[in-house]
Amino acid sequence: KAGVTQTPRYLIKTRGQQVTLSCSPISGHRSVSWYQQTPGQGLQFLFEYFSETQRNKGNFPGRFSGRQFSNSRSEMNVSTLELGDSALYLCASSSPRDRGFNEQYFGPGTRLTVT
Amino acid sequence: KQEVTQIPAALSVPEGENLVLNCSFTDSAIYNLQWFRQDPGKGLTSLLLIQSSQREQTSGRLNASLDKSSGRSTLYIAASQPGDSATYLCALDTGRRALTFGSGTRLQVQP
Repeated sequence: KAGVTQTPRYLIKTRGQQVTLSCSPISGHRSVSWYQQTPGQGLQFLFEYFSETQRNKGNFPGRFSGRQFSNSRSEMNVSTLELGDSALYLCASSSPRDRGFNEQYFGPGTRLTVT
Repeated sequence: KQEVTQIPAALSVPEGENLVLNCSFTDSAIYNLQWFRQDPGKGLTSLLLIQSSQREQTSGRLNASLDKSSGRSTLYIAASQPGDSATYLCALDTGRRALTFGSGTRLQVQP
């Protein structure tokens, strides 16, 4: 079974721009979560989607948003980029029917650099 | 608010040693706990998942335990190898599929 895929793998953007990252979950997984990883704050939860609905949201400003499509693929968007948004953005998918208990499987991440 | 602490932050051992990585948490109301491995600049690889009702899980040379009453989990790595060098992260799920991560233990196994 193919794993979680994320595109693009690397991005360089300028302050004030916006960016969209994409995540394709493991086939059959309907839950997709997003995380931000920085050297200072570590791994932090952004939001989780299931069946096109946001079920949970972390403590991030409204500049961070996401959505999920009917095929479970998900996108996250960051508007008005700031230097502090430079991070590795990780996507994870899970399914309670896959070994149960919502084991999360992560993609390789998108490295975003804001200059 | 759940807080997760991992000790030590870094560890360097010679090849062949058995080692223990520690993870402590403040809220025992967890749904499951996962241990992950992360290689530099890469995503996370799930190693073991322990359900709330379980005490331990084993996979090959890895064994993870969970003690909710004391707020602790340990990851035991037997007969360490240079290929085990990576950062190990523990993460807790309270049932809302929002993992709370520790800051990780950076392991280096010297040949």
